Amino acid sequence: QAVVIQEPSLTVSPGGTVTLTCGSSTGGVTSGHYPYWFQQRPGQAPRTLIYDTDNKHSWTPARFSGSLLGGKAALTLSGAQPEDEADYYCLLLYRGGWVFGGGTKLTVL
Amino acid sequence: QVQLVESGGGVVQPGRSLRLSCAASGFTFSAYGMHWVRQTPGKGLEWVSFTSYDGSINYHADSVKGRFTISRDNSKNTLYLQLNSLRADDTAMYYCAKTTAAGAIDYWGQGTLVTVSS
Repeated sequence: QAVVIQEPSLTVSPGGTVTLTCGSSTGGVTSGHYPYWFQQRPGQAPRTLIYDTDNKHSWTPARFSGSLLGGKAALTLSGAQPEDEADYYCLLLYRGGWVFGGGTKLTVL
Repeated sequence: QVQLVESGGGVVQPGRSLRLSCAASGFTFSAYGMHWVRQTPGKGLEWVSFTSYDGSINYHADSVKGRFTISRDNSKNTLYLQLNSLRADDTAMYYCAKTTAAGAIDYWGQGTLVTVSS
């Protein structure tokens, strides 16, 4: 079973920019993994931010963007807000199914 | 508006069974694939199962294969997850999630908690 690797924690200053990454134990992440990014605030259900690498839903704030960067999927937050403090999970599709990363706890401080 | 409401969770002894439901409204349920995802208390997310719009294609994670079964009743706008041979490590919040027509996950329910304990 593949392992999806994320930074356990990151900190960003209000108004600052931060990039979260999502790697795969099987090699480089590509668009064929259909990378997702989800946000989960404490006590809430997850919310889908990004799908298929860089696509946003109607509710995704414009300050979030997805990309592929150096063989990893990446979520960039530009202009962090206090409400962006949350856990962020990536999800990749493999032949046997979908695998979540362990999540990144993002602190806005 | 899209609503997904999970139910059926509770406390169950190891080895027993449980059936979870996800009642859908606000969209044409029979047109979209659906997922189950779980989250162990205080831990990360784990994908569990997927079913296609008509229930003809189903996938399960290795950790639940042979014990859990996903199904749907499009006449009742309801998704199910049958949990058999439950173990302590199946204790988790179970979420259902809808996909778009292109297969991308969009909306999530609020979850139902399953606790496996003697």
